[in-house]
Amino acid sequence: AQTVTQSQPEMSVQEAETVTLSCTYDTSESNYYLFWYKQPPSRQMILVIRQEAYKQQNATENRFSVNFQKAAKSFSLKISDSQLGDTAMYFCAFYTGANSKLTFGKGITLSVRP
Amino acid sequence: NAGVMQNPRHLVRRRGQEARLRCSPMKGHSHVYWYRQLPEEGLKFMVYLQKENIIDESGMPKERFSAEFPKEGPSILRIQQVVRGDSAAYFCASSPGGSGTDTQYFGPGTRLTVL
Repeated sequence: AQTVTQSQPEMSVQEAETVTLSCTYDTSESNYYLFWYKQPPSRQMILVIRQEAYKQQNATENRFSVNFQKAAKSFSLKISDSQLGDTAMYFCAFYTGANSKLTFGKGITLSVRP
Repeated sequence: NAGVMQNPRHLVRRRGQEARLRCSPMKGHSHVYWYRQLPEEGLKFMVYLQKENIIDESGMPKERFSAEFPKEGPSILRIQQVVRGDSAAYFCASSPGGSGTDTQYFGPGTRLTVL
């Protein structure tokens, strides 16, 4: 069974600074996909970034980048130049080709302070 | 291109009533997934459907819950004889196909409150 662990329940960061959100996962699959989703107070689930396990290069999307360590089964999200609009819950999620369901972590609440 | 649509956004039901939640996938997407989010929790998979077929319902409770995705019209998640424990946010996601290369895009969710 696949599991996703987000051990930090909440974090806070000053506006314009950098913050890293941690995620670890467990799987016996060799081919899989990892995602970070953002859930702002509106509760809409918004895709932030996606990483294919077979790619060694870390994914980046503007101010968002990941540090993917396959051997350690670690997938952290770095947010640079934090903005007030980044305040949200962030969920790490995992998907394999063996089944079609996303497995989510419990999420982390990120607060960006002005 | 409109995103995934869900309605209603908020639904209040009394214990024993039925709840019907609707999901229209993104244009061009033929795969639909339903997830449930309990307070302070991550999303939990319920069911995966393609047009007229249930592909994986391993996350669905065995009783009272059912889902369909007809040839025409939205996908429906139906909860019969609701109980207070069914109160949650229900999210629908869609993808173009069901392979690992396809990202799932989420709707805004339906918040169900059972009184």
